[in-house]
Amino acid sequence: DADVTQTPRNRITKTGKRIMLECSQTKGHDRMYWYRQDPGLGLRLIYYSFDVKDINKGEISDGYSVSRQAQAKFSLSLESAIPNQTALYFCATSDSGTRYGYTFGSGTRLTVV
Amino acid sequence: SQQGEEDPQALSIQEGENATMNCSYKTSINNLQWYRQNSGRGLVHLILIRSNEREKHSGRLRVTLDTSKKSSSLLITASRAADTASYFCATDLSGAGSYQLTFGKGTKLSVIP
Repeated sequence: DADVTQTPRNRITKTGKRIMLECSQTKGHDRMYWYRQDPGLGLRLIYYSFDVKDINKGEISDGYSVSRQAQAKFSLSLESAIPNQTALYFCATSDSGTRYGYTFGSGTRLTVV
Repeated sequence: SQQGEEDPQALSIQEGENATMNCSYKTSINNLQWYRQNSGRGLVHLILIRSNEREKHSGRLRVTLDTSKKSSSLLITASRAADTASYFCATDLSGAGSYQLTFGKGTKLSVIP
């Protein structure tokens, strides 16, 4: 199994629908992150969580919410999807030190029509 | 806003040649990391260099850091077709305990067999 698993891999949804992207990790790390990637814009941080009770907004949190259900699970929700939320979404995890980098999932490609 | 900016945006070389990518950033960093992304897949951590280090090696990878110029470079020696990917630098601006990464827009490397 992958260290970081994201579901679904691909999703097409309609404008106004609520959608949840899920992420689970087997690294045993406390810290989890959600990024979105748009062509030509690199990765931008949406939300991050340093433990189950600690959730923080990132650079572009408007229109998104998150839930940290357990140390290993961190889900991202779009309450009312809009077309400009069409992007590639990545979940990542890290330990609390800075010795190692992030471990990323394979991504969820979301299309809002 | 982007903290790190990679240069060039795209690079095409012949197999066996060396590839050099540069990253410039704006503010003081705790560490700088390089990641690789194969088309549409998750990012893979390559190497981390701390602010008090000037050079690190990992296999065919060599990373340098010049904090006075706020720049870093990634050198891939003896490139292979399998090195074809996008490469991102990421900067950690945080003090102890925070650890958030800000990614650049990436350099797209094509290695021609």
